[in-house]
Amino acid sequence: QQKVQQSPESLIVPEGGMASLNCTSSDRNVDYFWWYRQHSGKSPKMLMSIFSNGEKEEGRFTVHLNKASLHTSLHIRDSQPSDSALYLCAANNSGGSNAKLTFGKGTKLSVKS
Amino acid sequence: GPKVLQIPSHQIIDMGQMVTLNCDPVSNHLYFYWYKQILGQQMEFLVNFYNGKVMEKSKLFKDQFSVERPDGSYFTLKIQPTALEDSAVYFCASSSGLNSQNTLYFGAGTRLSVL
Repeated sequence: QQKVQQSPESLIVPEGGMASLNCTSSDRNVDYFWWYRQHSGKSPKMLMSIFSNGEKEEGRFTVHLNKASLHTSLHIRDSQPSDSALYLCAANNSGGSNAKLTFGKGTKLSVKS
Repeated sequence: GPKVLQIPSHQIIDMGQMVTLNCDPVSNHLYFYWYKQILGQQMEFLVNFYNGKVMEKSKLFKDQFSVERPDGSYFTLKIQPTALEDSAVYFCASSSGLNSQNTLYFGAGTRLSVL
């Protein structure tokens, strides 16, 4: 059974718009989340990580975490065509250790100019 | 930024043969990983490796699989013999440490097709 669920599967937003991506873990022991971005044919690259309740902002990217519901979301404001990619959510339950991550299937974001 | 290189990008092999997937990790990294992604599915952890030894492996890491990094050269995943269900994209990753401050750097993957 898949333990990290991402929604939506795909998302189209206009250039300059806001993209909101969701991720939930069904493993109650999860305590750390990562967001990765993977452009087509390229390697996944880590965007942001979060383990505390609340939000974390880096430039146009904001990550929220609700530990009670094990739900995290990634918001991209002023979306650019270069943001078009597959966004992967990963989680683990090892106190922040990245030794063994559980990934979701990803959300495919398309930003249309 | 730091790069993990995977060679080759695509490998086609007949069932039952041996295959070795090569990974050139970031130069000063000490921890190495393989993940497997079947078409349409999520990436799944296979194994991690440190100081010449497997630290942890998943149930996907079958007896036919082995990993090594001889003398600081490529970090390799060997499958012998291959089976049809081994067809997937295999991602290599490396990091300088295990905690959340140590970013996992991934390669672009090797697509393995077992015929």
